[in-house]
Amino acid sequence: GNSVTQMEGPVTLSEEAFLTINCTYTATGYPSLFWYVQYPGEGLQLLLKATKADDKGSNKGFEATYRKETTSFHLEKGSVQVSDSAVYFCALSENYGQNFVFGPGTRLSVLP
Amino acid sequence: EPEVTQTPSHQVTQMGQEVILRCVPISNHLYFYWYRQILGQKVEFLVSFYNNEISEKSEIFDDQFSVERPDGSNFTLKIRSTKLEDSAMYFCASKVSAENTGELFFGEGSRLTVL
Repeated sequence: GNSVTQMEGPVTLSEEAFLTINCTYTATGYPSLFWYVQYPGEGLQLLLKATKADDKGSNKGFEATYRKETTSFHLEKGSVQVSDSAVYFCALSENYGQNFVFGPGTRLSVLP
Repeated sequence: EPEVTQTPSHQVTQMGQEVILRCVPISNHLYFYWYRQILGQKVEFLVSFYNNEISEKSEIFDDQFSVERPDGSNFTLKIRSTKLEDSAMYFCASKVSAENTGELFFGEGSRLTVL
């Protein structure tokens, strides 16, 4: 079946540090890939997505590139802020009308 | 901006009681979902719903769970006889179409505490 693996953290960084959160997936077909973010006490919000190989999703300074050859969708940001502290979920969606599969989430804490 | 709304935001119940969690998906969306997240753990799929019937459900979604779209706007999750392990945050989500490129829009969640 489909699955998503991501580094579970927690990840603690200083403000302005470079962030990478690794995500790899297993899928039977050709999925779309997503990063969702969950701020403390809130629901999940879409951060970015990519729907085909070599697409780069970007938003709020975050980027991720759909790498079909390595089945990866790593999240990066060049300079994190305290306000980026949250849990980040990598997810995939495949097949017509089927559900999303989420990774276990990576908690990021950014210290001032 | 349209959003998915959920009520209640927090419910405390005794073990064995019935609970109904309510959701109002985004109005032009056709696909509806319930997920749950036990505190600090992964987001788990429970059920998807389309055209007034369940399209997929997970192993978690046993006979104690049911979903319903009683009118044109609400989408409910019922837990018939709650257990301690049902304590979790329950998220409703909706999607405009079946295309796998579309995003899921999530509500803020309903926290269920079973005592």
